Amino acid sequence: KNEVEQSPQNLTAQEGEFITINCSYSVGISALHWLQQHPGGGIVSLFMLSSGKKKHGRLIATINIQEKHSSLHITASHPRDSAVYICAARRSETSGSRLTFGEGTQLTVNP
Amino acid sequence: NAGVTQTPKFRVLKTGQSMTLLCAQDMNHEYMYWYRQDPGMGLRLIHYSVGEGTTAKGEVPDGYNVSRLKKQNFLLGLESAAPSQTSVYFCASRTSGADTQYFGPGTRLTVL
Repeated sequence: KNEVEQSPQNLTAQEGEFITINCSYSVGISALHWLQQHPGGGIVSLFMLSSGKKKHGRLIATINIQEKHSSLHITASHPRDSAVYICAARRSETSGSRLTFGEGTQLTVNP
Repeated sequence: NAGVTQTPKFRVLKTGQSMTLLCAQDMNHEYMYWYRQDPGMGLRLIHYSVGEGTTAKGEVPDGYNVSRLKKQNFLLGLESAAPSQTSVYFCASRTSGADTQYFGPGTRLTVL
């Protein structure tokens, strides 16, 4: 069992739909990251959170420390949101702030 | 400000050949990381560095060596390439004061 698991693996939506991607982790963490990998391969960081909720534009990330679960929501989805979304956990005890990554969720938003 | 750059972007090697991947960052970051990304798997950490002159093993270090002689550069070496090292390699860096990692564009390596 992976320490960081995402669901679903693949998600297809119609433009305008509300999207949720889930991330569960089985280890103690000090922070959780959400990243976006563009179709061309580039990876950018979207959020880093250790509690509560963060919002940036149409993206919202939440985390429940007790349940070891985080969600990434996209409101009013658009085809340009099509990408792979990756969650990554920073474990509490590791040196160098090493991250453990989920496998990613491939999101396709159709016009 | 170029951010994090990687050289080369693509490379094809024959089994047993050696090569070095270069990662450079111009953000004066202390921490640098090398990852590999394979289909159906998350990014996996190969080696990392917490500062100039220091390196440490990550999750999958076998078959790779690294050096951080200058703060801005982090080199990943394959001494004797194997087909199992066919992958996309990403470099990332971050400052000691923040947790966000900045990624390079990746290097696609194929070992025949």
